[in-house]
Amino acid sequence: DAGVIQSPRHEVTEMGQEVTLRCKPISGHDYLFWYRQTMMRGLELLIYFNNNVPIDDSGMPEDRFSAKMPNASFSTLKIQPSEPRDSAVYFCASTTLAVPLHFGNGTRLTVT
Amino acid sequence: DQQVKQNSPSLSVQEGRISILNCDYTNSMFDYFLWYKKYPAEGPTFLISISSIKDKNEDGRFTVFLNKSAKHLSLHIVPSQPGDSAVYFCAAKDSGTYKYIFGTGTRLKVLA
Repeated sequence: DAGVIQSPRHEVTEMGQEVTLRCKPISGHDYLFWYRQTMMRGLELLIYFNNNVPIDDSGMPEDRFSAKMPNASFSTLKIQPSEPRDSAVYFCASTTLAVPLHFGNGTRLTVT
Repeated sequence: DQQVKQNSPSLSVQEGRISILNCDYTNSMFDYFLWYKKYPAEGPTFLISISSIKDKNEDGRFTVFLNKSAKHLSLHIVPSQPGDSAVYFCAAKDSGTYKYIFGTGTRLKVLA
């Protein structure tokens, strides 16, 4: 199994630009999570999906953040417009019943 | 508010000695606890878990202890090895959901 695949690995953009992060979960996993890692807050849950439906988006910091899961094998996290304080490492993870979360290798986002 | 807290940002231990990483939580509805290990430029990987109905779980050199009355869990690594040097995150799952809340992490350095 290829594991959870995230792209791009690194993204550098200017303030005000739109950023789209992508995730392909492990085949057969019906839960998908987006986390953000910062020094101050550690791994912060942004949103999670079950069977492509958003279940809890209470961690999404602002309306500038949106996430979609159009099918079982693909999800996006979009930031529009981006700001320097959005700079962080964003992780996608997937799981199914009785299986711990499997994480991708993350996208390091830098907003200048 | 941080529901899962790791109050020690870093820890240094001599090779061969015991490493003890601590984690406190505030939500009594958490029913499953996990520890993840993270190397630089990689996603977190699952290490060990414990259900809220148990107070100890062992897997090789790794043991997790859960004290529900104190809302505290700890990870013991014996003996510590240089390859254990990483950031360790504790996580908790909200009962009845698949919401996994992570702490801020503890950076462990095992000195040869």
